[in-house]
Amino acid sequence: SQQGEEDPQALSIQEGENATMNCSYKTSINNLQWYRQNSGRGLVHLILIRSNEREKHSGRLRVTLDTSKKSSSLLITASRAADTASYFCATDEGMKTSYDKVIFGPGTSLSVIP
Amino acid sequence: DTEVTQTPKHLVMGMTNKKSLKCEQHMGHRAMYWYKQKAKKPPELMFVYSYEKLSINESVPSRFSPECPNSSLLNLHLHALQPEDSALYLCASSRPIAGAMNIQYFGAGTRLSVL
Repeated sequence: SQQGEEDPQALSIQEGENATMNCSYKTSINNLQWYRQNSGRGLVHLILIRSNEREKHSGRLRVTLDTSKKSSSLLITASRAADTASYFCATDEGMKTSYDKVIFGPGTSLSVIP
Repeated sequence: DTEVTQTPKHLVMGMTNKKSLKCEQHMGHRAMYWYKQKAKKPPELMFVYSYEKLSINESVPSRFSPECPNSSLLNLHLHALQPEDSALYLCASSRPIAGAMNIQYFGAGTRLSVL
């Protein structure tokens, strides 16, 4: 079953603009993460926000989490052509195990036009 | 060293072949994962190993056979695959901290084509 869902599916912006992606999920979580994937490559972890946090910043990234609405958003400010990639939110199922059953949202494909 | 190494990078195989994908990490992570990713789709979890024991098998067909020979290595043995198994296969690892979803470190993947 799909845990996270994202919108928009695709986003095209000009360099220097901000990009906002949203993610919704269904069950309780320990935390929520965002990953980036350049075309045909592995995923790279961007940022983690815990279930008791509401907002987190990392460089040009800002993530919010609303557990009452089961949703999160990723904001990339002052975008660059190098930010062109697919972005996935990832959640677990709140398991208390030494491994994670990670479920990725469908992803947002971001194109930043120079 | 935060690297997960996957070999080979590309693999073309016939439906009667037997091949293996290899994944290696030296970060001391005791949880390792195989994902399958089709074009323009998110990664789908296939298998999870925790402390070298198979913990999750997401109803993957038996033509995919995982193996974890030690804490640093993860293999995926392939046999009698179908063309629809063509995909990017990703390996990941994470620290085994219970009660908190851990950061996953991904390899670059193996692009598999089944003819």
